[in-house]
Amino acid sequence: QKEVEQNSGPLSVPEGAIASLNCTYSDRGSQSFFWYRQYSGKSPELIMFIYSNGDKEDGRFTAQLNKASQYVSLLIRDSQPSDSATYLCAVPGGSNYKLTFGKGTLLTVNP
Amino acid sequence: SQTIHQWPATLVQPVGSPLSLECTVEGTSNPNLYWYRQAAGRGLQLLFYSVGIGQISSEVPQNLSASRPQDRQFILSSKKLLLSDSGFYLCAWSRVAGYEQYFGPGTRLTVT
Repeated sequence: QKEVEQNSGPLSVPEGAIASLNCTYSDRGSQSFFWYRQYSGKSPELIMFIYSNGDKEDGRFTAQLNKASQYVSLLIRDSQPSDSATYLCAVPGGSNYKLTFGKGTLLTVNP
Repeated sequence: SQTIHQWPATLVQPVGSPLSLECTVEGTSNPNLYWYRQAAGRGLQLLFYSVGIGQISSEVPQNLSASRPQDRQFILSSKKLLLSDSGFYLCAWSRVAGYEQYFGPGTRLTVT
């Protein structure tokens, strides 16, 4: 059973700070990793995906992948109150292009 | 561009009543389609997925069923709802050979 673990939080950071969200996974063979953002009462939105070791940057968001240690991180620079949401990590969960989701980390950015 | 629709947005149903939730995707062909449920304060639970018309795989045995009568239409049904069926139901799609899933707006179901 493929597992994805996330700290449920809540993670609270002041506005303008860097928020660091972490995710560990059990399957060493996982090749791709996805970050979703879910605002309260809304559906998840894909914000980042990463396939190879190292960093991938997109605006204020950076995904970091370390396959040897089996963790993937999402850094949010210059955090804004609008970043307050639950962030879900997902990895491929087997056949037919399924994803296994973590339970998410609740991030609160305080003005 | 691709768009995914779900309806209704909210639904309140009594225990024992039937259920039908619909999801449609526009702007793509032969997508993979998924039904998830998210109970209050809990993670995403994959219920069903489909890789083609009439092809349905069930992840969790329960009183729900799914059908895919057309390429871009996915329906979630129940003959008799239980209190435990309450939750946020999400439909998602991905490309034929892709893992990135894109979610619809969801249906919030309350069973009373």
